[in-house]
Amino acid sequence: DGGITQSPKYLFRKEGQNVTLSCEQNLNHDAMYWYRQDPGQGLRLIYYSQIVNDFQKGDIAEGYSVSREKKESFPLTVTSAQKNPTAFYLCASRPTGQPQHFGDGTRLSIL
Amino acid sequence: SQQGEEDPQALSIQEGENATMNCSYKTSINNLQWYRQNSGRGLVHLILIRSNEREKHSGRLRVTLDTSKKSSSLLITASRAADTASYFCATAEPYAGNNRKLIWGLGTSLAVNP
Repeated sequence: DGGITQSPKYLFRKEGQNVTLSCEQNLNHDAMYWYRQDPGQGLRLIYYSQIVNDFQKGDIAEGYSVSREKKESFPLTVTSAQKNPTAFYLCASRPTGQPQHFGDGTRLSIL
Repeated sequence: SQQGEEDPQALSIQEGENATMNCSYKTSINNLQWYRQNSGRGLVHLILIRSNEREKHSGRLRVTLDTSKKSSSLLITASRAADTASYFCATAEPYAGNNRKLIWGLGTSLAVNP
């Protein structure tokens, strides 16, 4: 089945630690996105990538980093510089001119 | 940045009733999209309406768009308990070409009671 896989489903971070959230898609989509969702809020764009080896900052990129070395993969690292990382993180991909497809999210909490 | 604002924030209805949600936005758009999110899950695309369209149907869903009022509505007819979810509108920038980003509203939480 084609789709987007995010892992892990739940993740805990200690103070001062970097953590990496995985996002893999087998839909052959060029564009990929990372969003953050807080309770009662809409989605806020962290980073997006239109093509391999290229990505752009979204609205709330500070404290986050990404890479796009392969078309299928767009991992997000939450660095220790992100002081309020507790949130639900959603990855999405999109074929040209079409709506976005989403993974089932990773819930990140602080220990 | 938030562009869309859904109204109401929460809606509770009985099975079989219709549910109407509204979305207002601030700037020009290329298209407006509606998504559904079940609790703890990712979003699922429901319907896309382009700026030159006024109404669109998909099964029990009906979406309208009024660009003069910068607003859209989503109507779910004959609701079912399985329709219980949060519904989000998202608008696409008009001039960004293939680099177009979506701007999301805060969502309407719909509860359909059996």
